[in-house]
Amino acid sequence: DAKTTQPPSMDCAEGRAANLPCNHSTISGNEYVYWYRQIHSQGPQYIIHGLKNNETNEMASLIITEDRKSSTLILPHATLRDTAVYYCIVRGPNDYKLSFGAGTTVTVRA
Amino acid sequence: GAGVSQSPSNKVTEKGKDVELRCDPISGHTALYWYRQSLGQGLEFLIYFQGNSAPDKSGLPSDRFSAERTGGSVSTLTIQRTQQEDSAVYLCASSSRGPDTQYFGPGTRLTVL
Repeated sequence: DAKTTQPPSMDCAEGRAANLPCNHSTISGNEYVYWYRQIHSQGPQYIIHGLKNNETNEMASLIITEDRKSSTLILPHATLRDTAVYYCIVRGPNDYKLSFGAGTTVTVRA
Repeated sequence: GAGVSQSPSNKVTEKGKDVELRCDPISGHTALYWYRQSLGQGLEFLIYFQGNSAPDKSGLPSDRFSAERTGGSVSTLTIQRTQQEDSAVYLCASSSRGPDTQYFGPGTRLTVL
């Protein structure tokens, strides 16, 4: 997705927090930041989304900067099962054609 | 609760044969989407159903591809006269209404020999 920029890969130690950055400097005021992940050979899994405020659910936390030009997905205690490609996307309220960029390949190591 | 389910999980077919892929959305979800994902490629939108509205078929790559959604629930994606370039993972997603958060199924891996 040309609207977002993510690092191609990152490693994380099991049990530690994983902080995944995403830049979306051209985001519009009504566009949401969504995160999905895709574990090998599985369908994409919704993680979390937000507009302006920070969000937290049972899977992760999403921190959005005040200017909304970047965000960070935080997996608080990474496990080996969190190894996956993580996609950050920006979508407007009426956008339904999702597209993923290259994402960040996260490898959690024991 | 139950998520989106798809069947079969894997399908191997010969070039020229027709295939049908099935999607059961999350109960109560009015919107249903089909995508495909080729090896090493991103998501490619195929079709979108929303309630009783006419579907958005703008992503279907050729007239060999068609989809229907019966009774506002189960959907079937049909590929006629399959070609090798149709080999991909076909993903179905549903959302509670319109362009809301989409939840994906596990996909059907189609291999055309």
